[in-house]
Amino acid sequence: DQQVKQNSPSLSVQEGRISILNCDYTNSMFDYFLWYKKYPAEGPTFLISISSIKDKNEDGRFTVFLNKSAKHLSLHIVPSQPGDSAVYFCAASGTGTYKYIFGTGTRLKVLA
Amino acid sequence: DTGVSQNPRHKITKRGQNVTFRCDPISEHNRLYWYRQTLGQGPEFLTYFQNEAQLEKSRLLSDRFSAERPKGSFSTLEIQRTEQGDSAMYLCASSPGLPYTDTQYFGPGTRLTVL
Repeated sequence: DQQVKQNSPSLSVQEGRISILNCDYTNSMFDYFLWYKKYPAEGPTFLISISSIKDKNEDGRFTVFLNKSAKHLSLHIVPSQPGDSAVYFCAASGTGTYKYIFGTGTRLKVLA
Repeated sequence: DTGVSQNPRHKITKRGQNVTFRCDPISEHNRLYWYRQTLGQGPEFLTYFQNEAQLEKSRLLSDRFSAERPKGSFSTLEIQRTEQGDSAMYLCASSPGLPYTDTQYFGPGTRLTVL
């Protein structure tokens, strides 16, 4: 049972435009959510996180939105740059557990 | 600023052999995690240490897998009698142990290929 789902395996966006990556979860006990970026042959790099007491968190070009009622989060990258091309994973965890549950990733390609 | 380091970065072994991987966490982090990632999947949790105590293990961690964290510093993950299905990227992460919003930082991974 996939508790964290990223239904779009890939996304292509023109440089300078907005990239929107989506993630859905099923477990209502999740209260902390994160986005990681991964380049080939490297480990995931932490990008941005949000706790369930917030609905938005912003860090430079990256903004994460959380809709608890829909069990949905999204990552917005504005403006998109070619260096943003990577695989993006969303992850979730719940109080009392320390493990992260990851989605299957979305490959973002930013076209110059 | 030294991040999480893992050695070796690549390991090729024959089926049936034992392998051991090492992870050095960020120095002030007291929590350490092991994950496994296969092609097309996200990382899957294997085990977690708080200092030297192993507090959680996934059912993915069969009897052939063992992890240690002596003295609460570096950690080792050993796989005995490797099988071709063990081929994967093994990722280590560490975190400072903050309440509620404890972020895990990952190392570069060890890619295991079992022939």
